[in-house]
Amino acid sequence: SYVLTQPPSVSVAPGQTARITCGGNNIGDKSVHWYQQKPGQAPVLVVYDDSDRPSGIPERFSGSNSGNTATLTISRVDDGDEADYYCQVWDSFSDHQYVFGTGTKVTVL
Amino acid sequence: QVQLVESGGGVVQPGTSLRLSCAASGFTFKTYAMHWVRQAPGKGLEWVSVVTFDESNKKYADSVKGRFTISRDNSKNVLYLQMSSLTIEDTAVYYCARASNDYTDYWGQGTLVTVSS
Repeated sequence: SYVLTQPPSVSVAPGQTARITCGGNNIGDKSVHWYQQKPGQAPVLVVYDDSDRPSGIPERFSGSNSGNTATLTISRVDDGDEADYYCQVWDSFSDHQYVFGTGTKVTVL
Repeated sequence: QVQLVESGGGVVQPGTSLRLSCAASGFTFKTYAMHWVRQAPGKGLEWVSVVTFDESNKKYADSVKGRFTISRDNSKNVLYLQMSSLTIEDTAVYYCARASNDYTDYWGQGTLVTVSS
C-alpha cells in the first residue's frame, strides 16, 4: 500500500515560516490534501488539490507538490497554528484507498 | 451549515459488535459520498471506509475488511458503521466525514469506541 511519510515534529518561532513535508513515491503525480487538527478537535481541511484553500482558511497556508515530496507552508506563524498536520492522498492503485500521512506536530516556540 | 454528529460509541468487550451512526444536516446528504476515519488514542488518522452516494460502491481499509460494514439511509440522512469482531486495536475516536472529490471537506466531532475486557 501507498505510504506517506511526515516528520514527527516541526518547531517554529512566531512570525516565521513553517514547512511541513509529506514524502511518497511519485507523490507529484497525485493530488495532495492537508488537514489541521488541534487537541480534542476534529481535523479541518486547510489545503486541497496540492495548493487550493477552502473558504475561511488564511492565505498564510499554502501548498506545493512535485517529485516525491509535497509541502505545506505556513507563513507568519502564530500561536493558533500550533496543531497536528496530516497530508492525505487517494491511492487509486490500492483498491481506491484513502491514505493519511503519519502526521506532524507543529510547535510554536 | 453542514453538521455531522456521530453517536453509538461506548465501552465494549473484545469479540462483540457495535453500530455507529452519523446524523447529517445542512446539505443534500443523498448526493455525497461519505467516509469513516478513526484515530486511536495518541495516534494519527486512519481511513476506515467510504460509501458512494447511492451505496453502489463501498471500500474498506485492509484492517477492517470483512469485519466492518458501511451503509447509509438517505431517507433519514444517516450514515452507519456496523463493527463486528472488535479487538483492542479498534479502540479509537471514529469520525464521519463528507467526501468532496478525493478529500474530505467536513468532519463530525467523533465518537469514542473503547474495546476492553
